[in-house]
Amino acid sequence: DAMVIQNPRYQVTQFGKPVTLSCSQTLNHNVMYWYQQKSSQAPKLLFHYYDKDFNNEADTPDNFQSRRPNTSFCFLDIRSPGLGDAAMYLCATSGGPGRTDTQYFGPGTRLTVL
Amino acid sequence: KNQVEQSPQSLIILEGKNCTLQCNYTVSPFSNLRWYKQDTGRGPVSLTIMTFSENTKSNGRYTATLDADTKQSSLHITASQLSDSASYICVVVVDMRFGAGTRLTVKP
Repeated sequence: DAMVIQNPRYQVTQFGKPVTLSCSQTLNHNVMYWYQQKSSQAPKLLFHYYDKDFNNEADTPDNFQSRRPNTSFCFLDIRSPGLGDAAMYLCATSGGPGRTDTQYFGPGTRLTVL
Repeated sequence: KNQVEQSPQSLIILEGKNCTLQCNYTVSPFSNLRWYKQDTGRGPVSLTIMTFSENTKSNGRYTATLDADTKQSSLHITASQLSDSASYICVVVVDMRFGAGTRLTVKP
């Protein structure tokens, strides 16, 4: 089945130790998004790719970077995780960036920072 | 102040009962308003998408309404089931402004 896959589902890292979260999709969608969701809060958009074009949200910290080597894969790199970066990280895709395009979410990666 | 406010923050109902969740927004103009269901530990799943010109949209037991004049939307769940226990998130799409969500618990 076509889907959005995130690996790993749970990730534990140490304070300041770089970590990479992975997202892949079989939907062949043009747009891929990364969201951060802290406990009991709404998801917060970090950035998105439209094909190879990277779009960063204005308030996304420099500590967060992203790579999209091809249509299917997108990575979230946290260069120096702090305790405040512990959260659920959600990847989503959509066929286009249009405002009526449905976003399909992956199951998320829960990041713990020790 | 959050531009998308949801109420109540949490709700407990008995299985089989109906319930209505509210979403008030100040974002204007906007392209569309969406309701998502998010199960614990899972990604959000889209329930309905309404443009500003639509008043109502149904998806099975879920019915969303939109009043663009009062800037209010509601999600009505009919004959609730245990599987409806989740967080329900209202999203106003201009640049994806999320509400904080309403956590619904359905008890047998």
